[in-house]
Amino acid sequence: DAKTTQPTSMDCAEGRAANLPCNHSTISGNEYVYWYRQIHSQGPQYIIHGLKNNETNEMASLIITEDRKSSTLILPHATLRDTAVYYCIVKGGTSYGKLTFGQGTILTVHP
Amino acid sequence: GAVVSQHPSRVICKSGTSVKIECRSLDFQATTMFWYRQFPKQSLMLMATSNEGSKATYEQGVEKDKFLINHASLTLSTLTVTSAHPEDSSFYICSATGSGAAGVSNGYTFGSGTRLTVV
Repeated sequence: DAKTTQPTSMDCAEGRAANLPCNHSTISGNEYVYWYRQIHSQGPQYIIHGLKNNETNEMASLIITEDRKSSTLILPHATLRDTAVYYCIVKGGTSYGKLTFGQGTILTVHP
Repeated sequence: GAVVSQHPSRVICKSGTSVKIECRSLDFQATTMFWYRQFPKQSLMLMATSNEGSKATYEQGVEKDKFLINHASLTLSTLTVTSAHPEDSSFYICSATGSGAAGVSNGYTFGSGTRLTVV
């Protein structure tokens, strides 16, 4: 599975959009981009995933560049409860193989 | 949506004793379970993968005789930390995938984690 690179930490003001980048320049054609988050001392929570088209759900939007080498997770109106570690994971295909977590981005939402 | 119940949420045990952690899939059949360990301020590290009815596959460096994994049914997997020592103190998290997971669009559901402290 392709390696991902994320900034160590980011800040965001409450009510503003949080844009979290992820670089996955070695991604291959059948690999999906997954986003999870982990609030302190809890299990990871699924946010969104995509292959090449932009995706949106009730939690967030995922923008994947045309060359698929990077993506951005957008939380449109961040709240204090969105403070968490956000993990971008690239995994091959749709089979249920293991998810490998990198270091993630610590997002802190300020009042 | 799919739910994985993990128990206990916290456990303190004496050095040398064994501790069992349970993960149950409540509304779907968990054909595969993943067990992770997370030290403070670090990311999740995969320990092992287990398929129902089969022996677990351990990641490199994880002692299979120390971390016993049982996945005897499609709804229950257990991780037993045998002869626990203070260095085994960590946050243990399970994840399940499988069929029949109502409302799961990505296929992976995580438990809430178990904080193990060995004294």
